[in-house]
Amino acid sequence: GAGVSQSPSNKVTEKGKDVELRCDPISGHTALYWYRQRLGQGLEFLIYFQGNSAPDKSGLPSDRFSAERTGESVSTLTIQRTQQEDSAVYLCASSPGLMDEQYFGPGTRLTVT
Amino acid sequence: DQQVKQNSPSLSVQEGRISILNCDYTNSMFDYFLWYKKYPAEGPTFLISISSIKDKNEDGRFTVFLNKSAKHLSLHIVPSQPGDSAVYFCAASGNNAGNMLTFGGGTRLMVKP
Repeated sequence: GAGVSQSPSNKVTEKGKDVELRCDPISGHTALYWYRQRLGQGLEFLIYFQGNSAPDKSGLPSDRFSAERTGESVSTLTIQRTQQEDSAVYLCASSPGLMDEQYFGPGTRLTVT
Repeated sequence: DQQVKQNSPSLSVQEGRISILNCDYTNSMFDYFLWYKKYPAEGPTFLISISSIKDKNEDGRFTVFLNKSAKHLSLHIVPSQPGDSAVYFCAASGNNAGNMLTFGGGTRLMVKP
């Protein structure tokens, strides 16, 4: 079946612009996660959704970052006024429930120039 | 402060030999550990996991060992195959509402034919 998909696969943006990253989880998965991986580093947890609710936003790096999820499906991660340090691969994962294995998408590579 | 560490950024092994990837953690609240494998331009894929109530879990050529007193786990691959060449991430979760994963920095495994 279809896995987790993310779009765009690559995004180059100028510093100061806003970007929106999209994640389509596996159908029926109630839990959805956002991670990012900066160059040469491990994956860093950002935020998770249980259904449409994000109970804990403390993992978001700054108030320029926000995320939403509608209809227990698609999620968008928005970064406002991008900075060069936002350059990373942003990975989305979904799981049937919170305590189940997470399935990852291919990621969106964001480059802020 | 990194709670999950993979101290070897890379490892090179001859085909047919054993690959041993190591991971250390500091948070004693972690109770579930996973290994993910990542190919370039793809998201991480789940490989094997272990609960803190066990000290060993085996799945085919892959075995994960957990030493709770040392806060150390390792992944053994035997025999190693060229297709195993990838970046391997150790991840941990524990007693948090979102089952968020904390990842290590990854180890790049190269299996030479």
